[in-house]
Amino acid sequence: DARVTQTPRDKVTEMGQEVTMRCQPILGHNTVFWYRQTMMQGLELLAYFRNRAPLDDSGMPKDRFSAEMPDATLATLKIQPSEPRDSAVYFCASAQSGGGYSTDTQYFGPGTRLTVL
Amino acid sequence: GIQVEQSPPDLILQEGANSTLRCNFSDSVNNLQWFHQNPWGQLINLFYIPSGTKQNGRLSATTVATERYSLLYISSSQTTDSGVYFCAVLTGTASKLTFGTGTRLQVTL
Repeated sequence: DARVTQTPRDKVTEMGQEVTMRCQPILGHNTVFWYRQTMMQGLELLAYFRNRAPLDDSGMPKDRFSAEMPDATLATLKIQPSEPRDSAVYFCASAQSGGGYSTDTQYFGPGTRLTVL
Repeated sequence: GIQVEQSPPDLILQEGANSTLRCNFSDSVNNLQWFHQNPWGQLINLFYIPSGTKQNGRLSATTVATERYSLLYISSSQTTDSGVYFCAVLTGTASKLTFGTGTRLQVTL
C-alpha cells in the first residue's frame, strides 16, 4: 500500500529554533508538494518540485523557509528561525505528473503538526 | 486567481441520511479532486474527476466542467463520514491545487 510518509508527526519548539520536516513521496512519483493548513488561511501551497527541481515556491516566506529535494525519495522543509505564526499543520503530497500515465492526482501524507511557542 | 467555493459550509446529518455537497469554480480547470479530511486530520483522496461521473461505494461525484461545478453525493451516511470535505482544482499548466474552504459534515446517531 503505497503512501506518502512524513516525519515528525508532531513538533513543539520554541521561537527562534530551527525546524526540519521530512517527506518521503510515493515511489515513482515525480512531483512533490508542500502545503500548510491553518484555521485562518485553510490549505495553501508553499512550494513544489518536479523531478527534484523547484518549480514554484511563491507561497513560501523566503526569508525563513527553505525547501529542498536532496534525492528522489526525500523532500525537506526547513524553517529558521521559527516564529509562533508558523504554527500549523504542514502536509506533503506527491503525484505522477506529465507523460502518458499521468493523472496529476495528488496523494497527501499524514502531516506534521508544528507548534512554535 | 481561480476562486473555489463550497456549499454548504456546515452540515449536520442523522445517520442514514443522504447529502449533496457542491463545489463551484470560477474558471476552466484541468483537474478536480475531492478529499475527505477525517477528525484526525488525514486528507484522503475520494475522487479525481475533471469531468463526468464516478462512483465508489456510497459516494459518487459528478463534475460538469462546462458549467464550472462539481457535486459530491453521500448516501446512507455513517458517523465515520464526519469530517471536512474539500474540493481542489488544477488550472492552466501548473500543478498547483487550489482548495475550496470546505464543507464540515457531522453525522450523528
